[in-house]
Amino acid sequence: QKEVEQNSGPLSVPEGAIASLNCTYSDRGSQSFFWYRQYSGKSPELIMFIYSNGDKEDGRFTAQLNKASQYVSLLIRDSQPSDSATYLCAVNRYSGGYQKVTFGTGTKLQVIP
Amino acid sequence: DAGVIQSPRHEVTEMGQEVTLRCKPISGHDYLFWYRQTMMRGLELLIYFNNNVPIDDSGMPEDRFSAKMPNASFSTLKIQPSEPRDSAVYFCASSFEVGNTIYFGEGSWLTVV
Repeated sequence: QKEVEQNSGPLSVPEGAIASLNCTYSDRGSQSFFWYRQYSGKSPELIMFIYSNGDKEDGRFTAQLNKASQYVSLLIRDSQPSDSATYLCAVNRYSGGYQKVTFGTGTKLQVIP
Repeated sequence: DAGVIQSPRHEVTEMGQEVTLRCKPISGHDYLFWYRQTMMRGLELLIYFNNNVPIDDSGMPEDRFSAKMPNASFSTLKIQPSEPRDSAVYFCASSFEVGNTIYFGEGSWLTVV
């Protein structure tokens, strides 16, 4: 079992629709969770982070965390063609100065105009 | 504020040559990470430092790879001798505190022929 699993996609959604990206993780001790967006040929850039169970909203983006189910999701409302990219889920477990950050392999999102 | 700065951005080298990648983290960040990204394996953590001290180098593929951080504002990743299978994008990243957001540099695109 991979430590962080994502469907590789591509996930195709029409412009204006809601895109739902999912991520599951295996380490129950994981404490912080991140969504990164990576355009082709570019570096990952942070979209959102979440630490507590529930929803966190930032503009068109909502991150959802359910630690009991070991599940993190990212919703993108009113999807735009510029949202077309690969979305990486990252999970962090830390103690003292030690941390283990694991990335999923990413879900490719295509927003169709 | 400047982000993570990496050099060179692109490098093409012949098998057997030494390759040195350089990184300047964001000022004030305590953690520095070296990642490698390939299509097949995604984003892999090679090594990370906390306050210039290597904490976890379990991701370093083999003895051909070495990393140093002589001070808080500079790190190197060296591959000697290089092999074609080392061709990848190498990202340097930094974060302020444990568990916090990791910020990526633009990457060093390495091709070994």
